[in-house]
Amino acid sequence: EVVLTQSPATLSVSPGERATLSCRASQSVINNLAWYQQKPGQAPRLLIYGASTRATGIPARFSGSVSGTEFTLTISGLQSEDFAVYYCQQYNNWPPITFGQGTRLEIK
Amino acid sequence: EVQLVESGGGLVQPGGSLRLSCAASGFTFSTYEMNWVRQAPGKGLEWVSYISSSDGITYYGDSVKGRFTISRDNAKNSLYLQMNSLRAEDTAIYYCAGRVGAGYGFDYWGLGALVTVSS
Repeated sequence: EVVLTQSPATLSVSPGERATLSCRASQSVINNLAWYQQKPGQAPRLLIYGASTRATGIPARFSGSVSGTEFTLTISGLQSEDFAVYYCQQYNNWPPITFGQGTRLEIK
Repeated sequence: EVQLVESGGGLVQPGGSLRLSCAASGFTFSTYEMNWVRQAPGKGLEWVSYISSSDGITYYGDSVKGRFTISRDNAKNSLYLQMNSLRAEDTAIYYCAGRVGAGYGFDYWGLGALVTVSS
């Protein structure tokens, strides 16, 4: 089973600044990794798939990148609606499809 | 407008059974691979089960294998999860989620159905 480790657990950033979230895979998942945003009381929303492709309707301030087994979600120019919990997910070596434990992005 | 609407959640005693349904609209359901994903109160996301778009291939997470059964009816645009031998640790919000195929994330999600297993 591929274990995804997200860091940090909580990230405090000021509006307008940049947030950098990390997700490390325990083995290669190539680029078969997605990022989701979840707000309280809501279902997750797909942001990025294929490590770096934005999903339909996702603003350009969200970007994804990969270096080996280290994946990064960058949110530039944070807006108030971006403060949420973010999860990474791998769908390369499955079953099972696995999720990271989440990073909570909070207002500084 | 794409919609996935879960139903069938509720309170059930340990050892009991429940069947969740997910009604899909606004997209070509029969071409989408479907999944169930759950989230225990205050916890992260856990993938539960997968079913292919049309040839009946299914997979399960280890925690539910042998107890849960996923199925779909493309003629009714519906996804199901039969849950038997329920345990307290199955308490969670259950989401149905769809993806267009391998190499893609889950782009469609329902609002979720709460399942509470308690005596």
